[in-house]
Amino acid sequence: DAKTTQPPSMDCAEGRAANLPCNHSTISGNEYVYWYRQIHSQGPQYIIHGLKNNETNEMASLIITEDRKSSTLILPHATLRDTAVYYCIVRAAGNQFYFGTGTSLTVIP
Amino acid sequence: GAVVSQHPSRVICKSGTSVKIECRSLDFQATTMFWYRQFPKQSLMLMATSNEGSKATYEQGVEKDKFLINHASLTLSTLTVTSAHPEDSSFYICSASGAGVVFAEAFFGQGTRLTVV
Repeated sequence: DAKTTQPPSMDCAEGRAANLPCNHSTISGNEYVYWYRQIHSQGPQYIIHGLKNNETNEMASLIITEDRKSSTLILPHATLRDTAVYYCIVRAAGNQFYFGTGTSLTVIP
Repeated sequence: GAVVSQHPSRVICKSGTSVKIECRSLDFQATTMFWYRQFPKQSLMLMATSNEGSKATYEQGVEKDKFLINHASLTLSTLTVTSAHPEDSSFYICSASGAGVVFAEAFFGQGTRLTVV
């Protein structure tokens, strides 16, 4: 079962940073936070994951609170191609990925 | 990232027939593969988890005799929808995860759109 809560939808202006929140208040010590996104009628695309430290890659940054009960995915300069459903998932290594309802992000020109 | 290829991308079949969907990991050894189903405007629902060389573990409510999963090699898993009916029409997605820290994440195929008529 999904252990995360995300807002159902968000808008972001093109070129601005998109900040997508996720609550995972029941996260266990060995569970990672993963972010995936799904563009319409495609398979989910991996974005980033982390355990407790903030992470950054070429796609996004992941900010995890000190108590690990919530996190924020940051797309630094949103483009129209970033319009997608974004899923936050908590998962222990080797376990299944359970998807919640995600956040539908719309990037507005 | 690693590549997972799913085939076919679309299939239409007649009610009562069986359909096989293939999922291949192209550039890594997939010790674990996951199969999902997604209905329109809904999230992905995990159907089953398969480890290479062993029987799949099905999620509660998923009929294992209807959705046959085979994971005979480290690069290939198949899902067969047996005696398909219109209510089985859905978007089926596989994902694969390999061993080791580098492959902590799972990579997803592009999905198969099944339409049963």
